[in-house]
Amino acid sequence: EIVLTQSPGTLSLSPGERATLSCRASQSVSNNYLAWFQQKPGQAPRLLIYGASTRATGIPDRFSGSGSGTDFTLTISRLEPEDFAVYYCQQYCYSPVTFGQGTRLEIK
Amino acid sequence: QVHLQESGPRLVKPSETLSLTCIVSGGSVSRYYWSWIRQPPGKRLEWIGYFSYNGDTNYNPSLKSRVTMSVDVSKNQFSLTLNSVSAADTAVYSCARGRTVGGPRGYFDYWGQGTLVTVSS
Repeated sequence: EIVLTQSPGTLSLSPGERATLSCRASQSVSNNYLAWFQQKPGQAPRLLIYGASTRATGIPDRFSGSGSGTDFTLTISRLEPEDFAVYYCQQYCYSPVTFGQGTRLEIK
Repeated sequence: QVHLQESGPRLVKPSETLSLTCIVSGGSVSRYYWSWIRQPPGKRLEWIGYFSYNGDTNYNPSLKSRVTMSVDVSKNQFSLTLNSVSAADTAVYSCARGRTVGGPRGYFDYWGQGTLVTVSS
């Protein structure tokens, strides 16, 4: 089973700043089969990125994904107040699909 | 817009059966792949399994012996049954629509908000 490790565990930033979230896989994720989700309390998770870098429908272009192999990054170029949430990565290269433990993005 | 809503008992006794239903609106269960995912308190998200519009099913090996998924096309909903539960099965259970890249491998583009199921006597 592929283990995804996200860092940092918590990221404290201010609106307008740039956020960089990391997801590292225990094995190479072929075809860039990696997705990113955002989750706010009491809400359904929201798909942001799939294929490591393709934005899902309706996702603002301040969200971008990059990386390959074992190291992937989610970047939020300029934080908006609504971006403060928990972010998860997920690999779907191998079965069973697995998730990272999450990064909490909080307002500084 | 696709919307998913989980429903079912919030409290289940140890050794009994957990049963949840996911009601889908804005899309048909006769298309795509549909999954259940759970998150125990303080732990990672865990994929439970999926079924597809063509009848394929696939379950996480860690739960395979206790899980069954089914679909009711007439009601546009699908269900999860987990047998012989214990406290370790206490979790937020979410249903989701899957976009497969081959078999059980895929990402999830729509999720329900999840329902906390507690296993306790």
